[in-house]
Amino acid sequence: AQSVTQPDARVTVSEGASLQLRCKYSYSGTPYLFWYVQYPRQGLQLLLKYYSGDPVVQGVNGFEAEFIKSNSSFHLRKASVHWSDSAVYFCAVSANSNNRIFFGDGTQLVVKP
Amino acid sequence: EAAVTQSPRNKVAVTGGKVTLSCNQTNNHNNMYWYRQDTGHGLRLIHYSYGAGSTEKGDIPDGYKASRPSQENFSLILELATPSQTSVYFCASGRDSHEQYFGPGTRLTVL
Repeated sequence: AQSVTQPDARVTVSEGASLQLRCKYSYSGTPYLFWYVQYPRQGLQLLLKYYSGDPVVQGVNGFEAEFIKSNSSFHLRKASVHWSDSAVYFCAVSANSNNRIFFGDGTQLVVKP
Repeated sequence: EAAVTQSPRNKVAVTGGKVTLSCNQTNNHNNMYWYRQDTGHGLRLIHYSYGAGSTEKGDIPDGYKASRPSQENFSLILELATPSQTSVYFCASGRDSHEQYFGPGTRLTVL
């Protein structure tokens, strides 16, 4: 079965700084990978996804992620964060053989002014 | 615009009472899902469905039933609600193994 580990429960960065949120997945095949964002008292929204092809995928609001198969990682990056990026970010993995998505426990991002 | 809606948005129930949470999607997705979200546990899958008439157990189905009467609607039923079921519940729709689209959530408090 698939699984996802997000090792950082909380990350604090200053506005304007660069960001990396870490994600490692466990799956023996080629995964489908996702990053979701959850703002306070809202549902999860898809930020970006990787199915195949270019391992660097672009998402909304300047976010990007890189699929590194050799490291089983799919870290999320942003060059310059804004205070409005404060939210909880979930990494998720799915397989082509089933209809489920497995979510990590999430990383809370706090952007200091 | 395609969307997933949930009702009610907030619910207070008494222990032992019956609670029904409803979800409607206009994405025309075959698959629908119910999750609960608790601090320290992330998202946990309760039940899911591949289409009208089907329901499948997720990772934490005990104490919950699900019903999928149509492509658009998926309900989560708590026959005998307990305080441990106090949580935020999210419904989602999706196709195959592709991304899922989430509703805004229902905040349930069982007293």
